[in-house]
Amino acid sequence: AQSVAQPEDQVNVAEGNPLTVKCTYSVSGNPYLFWYVQYPNRGLQFLLKYITGDNLVKGSYGFEAEFNKSQTSFHLKKPSALVSDSALYFCAVGGGGYNKLIFGAGTRLAVHP
Amino acid sequence: DADVTQTPRNRITKTGKRIMLECSQTKGHDRMYWYRQDPGLGLRLIYYSFDVKDINKGEISDGYSVSRQAQAKFSLSLESAIPNQTALYFCATRKLATYEQYFGPGTRLTVT
Repeated sequence: AQSVAQPEDQVNVAEGNPLTVKCTYSVSGNPYLFWYVQYPNRGLQFLLKYITGDNLVKGSYGFEAEFNKSQTSFHLKKPSALVSDSALYFCAVGGGGYNKLIFGAGTRLAVHP
Repeated sequence: DADVTQTPRNRITKTGKRIMLECSQTKGHDRMYWYRQDPGLGLRLIYYSFDVKDINKGEISDGYSVSRQAQAKFSLSLESAIPNQTALYFCATRKLATYEQYFGPGTRLTVT
């Protein structure tokens, strides 16, 4: 069965520093991996995806993620954090082909001025 | 995302009441989904639909039912609400042969 783990409930970063939000997955076959962001009182917004191809995927708002097949990880990164990046981040893996998404529990990112 | 709308945005109801949450989309997507979000649990899939005639149960469908009235509309019903159905509910859509889903703003449901 497919599963996703986000090992950190919260990540704290100073503005201007690089950030990493961790995600590991378990899936049979080739993984389809996604990152979503949720701002307060808003729905989830799609950030980026890995389906195939280059292991480094670039997405919205300057975010990128690195697919590592040997470590079954898909960590979200940004070179320089902004206070406005503070939000709840979800990693998801495509299950049942790509018809369904299985979400991690979420990681709250807090960027301090 | 303004292309996926949910009504109501907030609802408080009592145990045993029937309640319907509605989702509409103008994206022209054929796939539609209902999720619930609980703190520390992420999002869990309740039901999904590939088209008007194709409805499928997700991982937590007990206590819920759905109706796909048209390609653009997908409703979620709680026949007899109970307090542990208190959660944030999201509708999402996906276009055929693509991978990412697009979410509505959510409905916060409280069952007392």
